[in-house]
Amino acid sequence: EAGVTQSPTHLIKTRGQQATLRCSPISGHTSVYWYQQALGLGLQFLLWYDEGEERNRGNFPPRFSGRQFPNYSSELNVNALELEDSALYLCASSLGRDSPNSPLHFGNGTRLTVT
Amino acid sequence: AQSVAQPEDQVNVAEGNPLTVKCTYSVSGNPYLFWYVQYPNRGLQFLLKYITGDNLVKGSYGFEAEFNKSQTSFHLKKPSALVSDSALYFCAVRDGGATNKLIFGTGTLLAVQP
Repeated sequence: EAGVTQSPTHLIKTRGQQATLRCSPISGHTSVYWYQQALGLGLQFLLWYDEGEERNRGNFPPRFSGRQFPNYSSELNVNALELEDSALYLCASSLGRDSPNSPLHFGNGTRLTVT
Repeated sequence: AQSVAQPEDQVNVAEGNPLTVKCTYSVSGNPYLFWYVQYPNRGLQFLLKYITGDNLVKGSYGFEAEFNKSQTSFHLKKPSALVSDSALYFCAVRDGGATNKLIFGTGTLLAVQP
């Protein structure tokens, strides 16, 4: 079974630019989650998509946005990049919102560096 | 609001000795509790979960966790530590409600000395 895949592995941008991160969930999973792991700040919940809709978002500004496609893959967009956006961005997938006991399965992340 | 605390930033243990990584939680309803491990520059790997039933949950790589409702704790344990267990460990809680999001603790770095 293929795991969660994220691309690109590394991304270098300059302040003010936009970044797009991509995620493909495990086959059969309809929920996709995005987390930010910045140095010293732990894992911060960003967004949750299920069945193509945004179900919940964390305490992040609107320049963090995303979407989920009909094939359940997902994109995270970060506009007007700031230096503090530098972090490892992790995508995870799980069974849908009716299965709260379903564990999240994580990809290896995209390392975003903003210079 | 749900939350989870990992009181130790780092746990040091000698190889072959038992290990415990502590976690306490707060959730309004029935808790769904999880443990994950993260190796350097990798994503998180699922170790085990508690939903309901037996208070001792067995997971991957010989790890187990003990659920204690009265103390709202979910400590991760292993009878005999290996050097290869050295990694960052995260406890997480989900309330199963409309938010459905998984809230993580700050992580505990486990260092196993040979």
